[in-house]
Parts: sequence; structure tokens; C-alpha cells
Amino acid sequence: GQNIDQPTEMTATEGAIVQINCTYQTSGFNGLFWYQQHAGEAPTFLSYNVLDGLEEKGRFSSFLSRSKGYSYLLLKELQMKDSASYLCAASASQGGKLIFGQGTELSVKP
Amino acid sequence: EPEVTQTPSHQVTQMGQEVILRCVPISNHLYFYWYRQILGQKVEFLVSFYNNEISEKSEIFDDQFSVERPDGSNFTLKIRSTKLEDSAMYFCASSDPHRRTGIAYEQYFGPGTRLTVT
Repeated sequence: GQNIDQPTEMTATEGAIVQINCTYQTSGFNGLFWYQQHAGEAPTFLSYNVLDGLEEKGRFSSFLSRSKGYSYLLLKELQMKDSASYLCAASASQGGKLIFGQGTELSVKP
Repeated sequence: EPEVTQTPSHQVTQMGQEVILRCVPISNHLYFYWYRQILGQKVEFLVSFYNNEISEKSEIFDDQFSVERPDGSNFTLKIRSTKLEDSAMYFCASSDPHRRTGIAYEQYFGPGTRLTVT
């Protein structure tokens, strides 16, 4: 079967660091994506990992371990505007079909 | 910056009616997708389209659904006879191949069409 698991919600403080974990099981795998989604809006791309290791992009970093079926998204220097849902998605075919997790609702508090 | 556009932003229809949701993908992209998100639930894949044909579809995408690229710019999703459970946000997305792997890469999502079936 195909399954993506991530925590339902997390809370963090402005200026802090937060790590959102994701585990996945898919029949095919061509990379792991993280998207940000504000309520009522479309998902927007944050990061892509296809090889094991860490990818850094400004305040956001994403890690992948293919052998463990595990990824995390690290957000540093949290800002209030980072309050959103963070979606973990596995690309499950050459054509790019994305299998999404339920999303992690992150609340950043002052 | 190029973007995916969708019309209408909100569509209200009666059960049993046909609806067509429209999308204009980013102009040089080759892969096109439809996803849906029922309120409070996760984003679900419906269908992918490449080289003028469906490349993959999910179990949700049954005979009531069809997609078309009628010209060089539009990409449409038709639901022939809507049901109450079709009420959802429908997102169109497009992507290009990754420059190293050649596989469909970062998907740019449109703003969505909120479909309400009454």
C-alpha cells in the first residue's frame, strides 16, 4: 500500500527551530517533496529530496533517508507567518504523481 | 513569475449536473495534474496528463471524470454527473522534468476551484 505519516499538529515559539517528521511507504519512489499550505490556499513548493542527505534552502532544510523511508523538514528562526500546514508528499511514479500526507498544522506563538 | 491559473474560483452546482473546471498551466510545462482536497482532509491525486494523454489516474477518477487539453494552453477537468461527495477544492498543477533525473519535478499548483454540490 501507499502511506505517508506525519504528526497532525505542532506548536513552536517565534524565533525557535522546529522539526516536522514524515515517514512514507510507496510502491514507487522518485523523491520526497515538502509543501506549505495556508488555509484556503494552494500548496506551495518548499523542498525536494531524491538522494539521501540534507538539502538547505535559507531558513528551511529537508532531510531524506531512503533506506528508512523517513524525511524531516527543519524550519529555523520561526516567524509568525510560518504558521501553516506543512505537507509531506512522495513522488510515486515517473509521471510525478504525488501521494500526500495529512499535513502538519504548525502554530507559531509569540 | 509564471503561474498556474484556474477558473472559476468557486462553482456551485446541483447534484447530477455536469461541471467543467478550467486551468491554464505554465506555458512550457509538459506534465499536468488534477488533485482534490475535501475540506479538512489531505490532498488527493486524481490524474496526470502527458503528451496529450492520461499517464496515470487514481481510483477516484472513475468514468464520471474526464480531462482534456483542447488547445495549446487550457487543461480541463469535466465531471459528468456531480455527486454531493464531489464537493471539494480542485487543484490543477503543472511541472517540467527535473534537469538531472528527467522525471517530473516540482509541481506548481493553481489557486484552486472550490466546487460545492447541493
